[in-house]
Amino acid sequence: GNSVTQMEGPVTLSEEAFLTINCTYTATGYPSLFWYVQYPGEGLQLLLKATKADDKGSNKGFEATYRKETTSFHLEKGSVQVSDSAVYFCALSRYNQGGKLIFGQGTELSVKP
Amino acid sequence: GAVVSQHPSRVICKSGTSVKIECRSLDFQATTMFWYRQFPKQSLMLMATSNEGSKATYEQGVEKDKFLINHASLTLSTLTVTSAHPEDSSFYICSARRGYSSYEQYFGPGTRLTVT
Repeated sequence: GNSVTQMEGPVTLSEEAFLTINCTYTATGYPSLFWYVQYPGEGLQLLLKATKADDKGSNKGFEATYRKETTSFHLEKGSVQVSDSAVYFCALSRYNQGGKLIFGQGTELSVKP
Repeated sequence: GAVVSQHPSRVICKSGTSVKIECRSLDFQATTMFWYRQFPKQSLMLMATSNEGSKATYEQGVEKDKFLINHASLTLSTLTVTSAHPEDSSFYICSARRGYSSYEQYFGPGTRLTVT
């Protein structure tokens, strides 16, 4: 079946550090891949997406590249800020499954000043 | 645009009672709405998918008689937890999909249910 695996958290970084959150997936066909972010006390927000192999999604300094050969969609940011502290979820969706999202377990990021 | 609201944001109910949670798409028509359950420090678990005007499709292991979902209009879906028990205490999140060709879901802020 389809599944998403993320690196375990929590991840604690100092401000301006480089961030990588690993995400790998298992799916048949060509899923769309997403990163969602959940700030404390808020709902999930779409951070970025990629719909086909080698696509790079980017937003707010974050980026992730859809790597079909390694079935990965790692999230990166060159210089994190305290305001990036949140829980990050990797997810996939297959169009022929009615848009259902399958989420990874989430990775909590804490950025210290 | 693409705002989804949930009401209430928090609810406490006694064991054995029922509670209804509303999910509304405020500025778009939602062809499909999804209901998720999130346990502390864990991921979102899809409970069911509902399309406007038709019965919800439940994920394996989710009791459809316990978690009643109604999607009566293109902007409103409700989740009713019937005969609630303490183990039903959780964070319930809805999302809405705009149009059948769109892959993007817009999430509500969630409802914290506590059953005493």
